[in-house]
Amino acid sequence: DAKTTQPNSMESNEEEPVHLPCNHSTISGTDYIHWYRQLPSQGPEYVIHGLTSNVNNRMASLAIAEDRKSSTLILHRATLRDAAVYYCILKRTSYDKVIFGPGTSLSVIP
Amino acid sequence: NAGVTQTPKFQVLKTGQSMTLQCAQDMNHEYMSWYRQDPGMGLRLIHYSVGAGITDQGEVPNGYNVSRSTTEDFPLRLLSAAPSQTSVYFCASSYSGLAAYEQYFGPGTRLTVT
Repeated sequence: DAKTTQPNSMESNEEEPVHLPCNHSTISGTDYIHWYRQLPSQGPEYVIHGLTSNVNNRMASLAIAEDRKSSTLILHRATLRDAAVYYCILKRTSYDKVIFGPGTSLSVIP
Repeated sequence: NAGVTQTPKFQVLKTGQSMTLQCAQDMNHEYMSWYRQDPGMGLRLIHYSVGAGITDQGEVPNGYNVSRSTTEDFPLRLLSAAPSQTSVYFCASSYSGLAAYEQYFGPGTRLTVT
């Protein structure tokens, strides 16, 4: 199964950039890298995804290493609303293999 | 669009009771799935469906049944509730089962089995 490794927790100051790392050394060529976040007492929310190239959207940027064995989610200016658990997952076509690990709990300090 | 809706929001069951958790989406998504989330843990896939009439098991299917008679609805049935099924349940949908598509999650149902 394709697994990811993330730090358990991270802290950031408000209005500063945040870099959330994810290791996925067993990634296969067809695995997409997806990021979701979960605010307290809510369902997970899609953030961004990519295959090989770096991706940007209104919420965040995704930087993917050249060998694809790691990736970094970048929040350009952290706000208090960004305090959440961030999940990095690998997705392939056989959906019974989707694995959500414990994720990274991000705290934002005012 | 309401997105993905789940009912009820909270439920308390006694051991041995059965119930159905409802999930509906109004985005005409083909792929739907059910996850459970235990305290301090990530989500684990229970069952999923790639279209009406087609369902399959995920990582932790025991004790749960699903059916998909319409594109919009994907109910999860607990056959005989056990305390180990105390958890928060999330339903999700996606335009397609392919890996390139993101999932949209419902707000969850918090279930307690006593």
